[in-house]
Amino acid sequence: DTEVTQTPKHLVMGMTNKKSLKCEQHMGHRAMYWYKQKAKKPPELMFVYSYEKLSINESVPSRFSPECPNSSLLNLHLHALQPEDSALYLCASSHEPERSYNEQFFGPGTRLTVL
Amino acid sequence: AQSVTQPDIHITVSEGASLELRCNYSYGATPYLFWYVQSPGQGLQLLLKYFSGDTLVQGIKGFEAEFKRSQSSFNLRKPSVHWSDAAEYFCAVAVDNYGQNFVFGPGTRLSVLP
Repeated sequence: DTEVTQTPKHLVMGMTNKKSLKCEQHMGHRAMYWYKQKAKKPPELMFVYSYEKLSINESVPSRFSPECPNSSLLNLHLHALQPEDSALYLCASSHEPERSYNEQFFGPGTRLTVL
Repeated sequence: AQSVTQPDIHITVSEGASLELRCNYSYGATPYLFWYVQSPGQGLQLLLKYFSGDTLVQGIKGFEAEFKRSQSSFNLRKPSVHWSDAAEYFCAVAVDNYGQNFVFGPGTRLSVLP
């Protein structure tokens, strides 16, 4: 299995809702990432988990809460989002986090719309 | 701070024509360089990467890229473009930092004329 899966593919939520995005990989990767991508822009790094521990948080608002329950799973919990949070949310994974030459494998993304 | 520039926001080529997408980086140490492609509404797919050795790197889908340290460039090339190559292309550099951190360029959108 050489892919990263993300669910759901699309999500529409109101500003008072609580929802979660899910990401899964079974490649034995020990680094997992969340990115946010707005239209016609490159992905922006949000969080990095290395060996199931949060190692990078790029000053993301607290309404985004990541969770890494085990080495294969990564969640992003959403609460009280704003319309400007509407974007494509991408999950990625890579082998040993300390090897910077390892490429990241990306999932197909979750298209989030906040009303 | 490290940065990646892709001077061309949008390129249009005819099917069968050759292609070169430019990428320049600013980084003090030996860079790890990547090219990704993204079709509309999809995730990113790795085309190729460079981290050492031969400066001409072969990738998937007939793409290649050449690392030129003197020019701080890592340009992507393809000798004959297919209509299915129309997509967004991102160049990225990996920062040598525990936890790994990619810096993406702004992207180049490729359109292909029949």
